[in-house]
Amino acid sequence: TQLLEQSPQFLSIQEGENLTVYCNSSSVFSSLQWYRQEPGEGPVLLVTVVTGGEVKKLKRLTFQFGDARKDSSLHITAAQPGDTGLYLCAGAERNNNDMRFGAGTRLTVKP
Amino acid sequence: DSGVTQTPKHLITATGQRVTLRCSPRSGDLSVYWYQQSLDQGLQFLIQYYNGEERAKGNILERFSAQQFPDLHSELNLSSLELGDSALYFCASSVSGTSANEQYFGPGTRLTVT
Repeated sequence: TQLLEQSPQFLSIQEGENLTVYCNSSSVFSSLQWYRQEPGEGPVLLVTVVTGGEVKKLKRLTFQFGDARKDSSLHITAAQPGDTGLYLCAGAERNNNDMRFGAGTRLTVKP
Repeated sequence: DSGVTQTPKHLITATGQRVTLRCSPRSGDLSVYWYQQSLDQGLQFLIQYYNGEERAKGNILERFSAQQFPDLHSELNLSSLELGDSALYFCASSVSGTSANEQYFGPGTRLTVT
């Protein structure tokens, strides 16, 4: 059982569409991070959220941390083929130094 | 380029053998993390070192061990290898040892056990 549940597991959309992927847990996190990973490469950090209810924007990507710090979402506006990849969320529990990763959402954006 | 380097990039070995994976963190980073990524298990945290000392332990098998040297580079030793150990092994580094720190990942070592 994953500490962090990501949904959907797979998502295939057309260029220009909007999408939202989710990261949910029953645990409270001191911080949560989103990464993007391309095949054969290491994950690349996109954003860190720390405060409950926090919203961060990175160009066409909007990240939100839940008020209770148990969940997060990533919204992409007008998706482009370059957004294709595996999106991973990772959280550090308040009383634990381990960083736990979700299984990821594999996004494919077709031109 | 994250600034984290890992060697070798690919490794093919037989069951029962022992291998060592090497990682150099970003300049200035004191923490090194090791992860295993396989198709069916996702990214699994193995172990963290901070300034030479073990800081946190995840799902690391007893056949696996790691250490961080005075120059802050780290090695992950995998012994008595089994077919199921075939995976991508990533190293990441961060500035300090706290859980909220952002981690920067290396390119990974792809291990194939035959």
